[in-house]
Amino acid sequence: DTGVSQNPRHKITKRGQNVTFRCDPISEHNRLYWYRQTLGQGPEFLTYFQNEAQLEKSRLLSDRFSAERPKGSFSTLEIQRTEQGDSAMYLCASSQQGAGGYTFGSGTRLTVV
Amino acid sequence: KQEVTQIPAALSVPEGENLVLNCSFTDSAIYNLQWFRQDPGKGLTSLLLIQSSQREQTSGRLNASLDKSSGRSTLYIAASQPGDSATYLCAVRGGSQGNLIFGKGTKLSVKP
Repeated sequence: DTGVSQNPRHKITKRGQNVTFRCDPISEHNRLYWYRQTLGQGPEFLTYFQNEAQLEKSRLLSDRFSAERPKGSFSTLEIQRTEQGDSAMYLCASSQQGAGGYTFGSGTRLTVV
Repeated sequence: KQEVTQIPAALSVPEGENLVLNCSFTDSAIYNLQWFRQDPGKGLTSLLLIQSSQREQTSGRLNASLDKSSGRSTLYIAASQPGDSATYLCAVRGGSQGNLIFGKGTKLSVKP
């Protein structure tokens, strides 16, 4: 197992465009999380899935954001009509249900110009 | 609402020093606490995971302690090296269904 994989590593987009990021979790982990991190801040929770069910969404997740995890495997995070304030590092993590810790991917750096 | 604070925000030490990073949290009803390392522009690497029933965990030169009742954790790094330079993040989980709440991190610089 190669850990949590995120693609792309970097994305530059023009304001108003839609972008989609992908996360492949550790295969035996049934929980998957999305976080957003801006410069100088700790990661902030966006949403999480247990298997294919999206169980919690943060107030940070405006209606321009949507996340899916079809078949409980990989997940995608889509941002529609991007704004400059969406520029951040988007981090994905996975864990096994229970007392285990989180494993994070390398993140996707989004720059909206 | 759980809040996590890390002090200091930045720390610079000469190589070889032992150092302590501090983390405090406002709600002591946590499930576990995890320390991470983050290199510039990179993702998070897990260092240590402490369950709520545990007092400390050790890995190599790292030792993390947890005092749940006082809402505090410390990360002790022995014999620091320039390769330890990174941002260290503390995060707490509020329950088995909860998600991780992070502090803003301590940026550590170890000078050769």
